[in-house]
Amino acid sequence: AQSVTQLGSHVSVSEGALVLLRCNYSSSVPPYLFWYVQYPNQGLQLLLKYTTGATLVKGINGFEAEFKKSETSFHLTKPSAHMSDAAEYFCAVSLSLPGGGNKLTFGTGTQLKVEL
Amino acid sequence: GAVVSQHPSRVICKSGTSVKIECRSLDFQATTMFWYRQFPKKSLMLMATSNEGSKATYEQGVEKDKFLINHASLTLSTLTVTSAHPEDSSFYICSARDPPQIASGRYYNEQFFGPGTRLTVL
Repeated sequence: AQSVTQLGSHVSVSEGALVLLRCNYSSSVPPYLFWYVQYPNQGLQLLLKYTTGATLVKGINGFEAEFKKSETSFHLTKPSAHMSDAAEYFCAVSLSLPGGGNKLTFGTGTQLKVEL
Repeated sequence: GAVVSQHPSRVICKSGTSVKIECRSLDFQATTMFWYRQFPKKSLMLMATSNEGSKATYEQGVEKDKFLINHASLTLSTLTVTSAHPEDSSFYICSARDPPQIASGRYYNEQFFGPGTRLTVL
């Protein structure tokens, strides 16, 4: 079975500081990994994804994540936090389904707070 | 990018009534859509996979007769919460899957999420 674990349900950083949101995965096959952001009372927006190739993935809004197979990790980072980054962040792994297609399994989420 | 809409965005109903939520893919055809439920300050829980022209596949523990899913066209899936009760109050989110892409020899699909529907049952 595939799963993801997000360490830290709440992370607080100062504006301009480094953002680091942790995600570890468990998968019996090479995983497809995703980071999504959710603003209050809204759906999910894809930040970035890893499927194959370069292990450092760049996404929208200045976020990036590095796939580290040896550590089974896919941590999300941003060099300098902005107030608008305050939101809930979800890591997800894609599970292949028989006959094609996939479904996503989400982590429990990390609430990012950005302080002045 | 692909856009998915949901309607309504918010609904308040009395206990015992049924509520229908629509999920539409606006600029692509989605053979598969997914319905999720999200409790306050919790992660998304997959309820069911909706396949166009066939029966939905429900996750373990989700009542089929309670949450009716219909995927009548390539751009529309509906979730009907039948005989709603206060415990059904939640944030319901749908997603639609685009055509498969291939990576590392395996197919995968990207999901695009709707903005969600806040259901409150009084």
